[in-house]
Amino acid sequence: DILLTQSPAILSVSPGERVSFSCRASQSIGTSIHWYQQRTNGSPRLLIKYASESISGIPSRFSGSGSGTDFTLSINSVESEDIADYYCQQSNSWPALTFGAGTKLELK
Amino acid sequence: QVQLQQSGAELVRPGTSVKVSCKASGYAFTNYLIEWVKQRPGQGLEWIGVINPGSGGTNYNEKFKGKATLTADKSSSTAYMQLSSLTSDDSAVYFCARGGDFSYFDYWGQGTTLTVSS
Repeated sequence: DILLTQSPAILSVSPGERVSFSCRASQSIGTSIHWYQQRTNGSPRLLIKYASESISGIPSRFSGSGSGTDFTLSINSVESEDIADYYCQQSNSWPALTFGAGTKLELK
Repeated sequence: QVQLQQSGAELVRPGTSVKVSCKASGYAFTNYLIEWVKQRPGQGLEWIGVINPGSGGTNYNEKFKGKATLTADKSSSTAYMQLSSLTSDDSAVYFCARGGDFSYFDYWGQGTTLTVSS
């Protein structure tokens, strides 16, 4: 199984700051990584597909990068509505899809 | 617009079974996979399995084989997940999601909360 390790577990930020989330795969997966946002008591929402491809309707402050084993989701200027949990998910081993454990974004 | 509407919260006894539904609208039901995901309270996301509504073909996470059974009804554009031999470990929120490009989950249902308790 492909394991995804997200770090850190918790990120504390102030509004307007830039923040980056890390996701590391246990083996090379090309760009088969996708990112989701989940607000409290909400459903996950797709933010980025295939490591860096944007999704219609998602604010441009969200961006993704990386390939192989190391991936990053960035928020250019954090807004209060961005407070949520963020998950990466790999599809290299489809149909056996796996998620990272998530990173919680909180306000300082 | 694409929507996935799930059935309501369930409170069930240990040892019984439950069937959760996911009604799709706003797109061609048989053209996309339906994925199922489990989330225990305060925990992360766990993939359960996937069904191709067009063919009825399924794939499961090894962990959920024997626990979850996925089906789909093309006539009503509804996918179902049956969970059997329920224990407290099955208490969780269950999401259905549309599978995009055999890779990601592009639309999600609102989630169904399952509580297993005597």
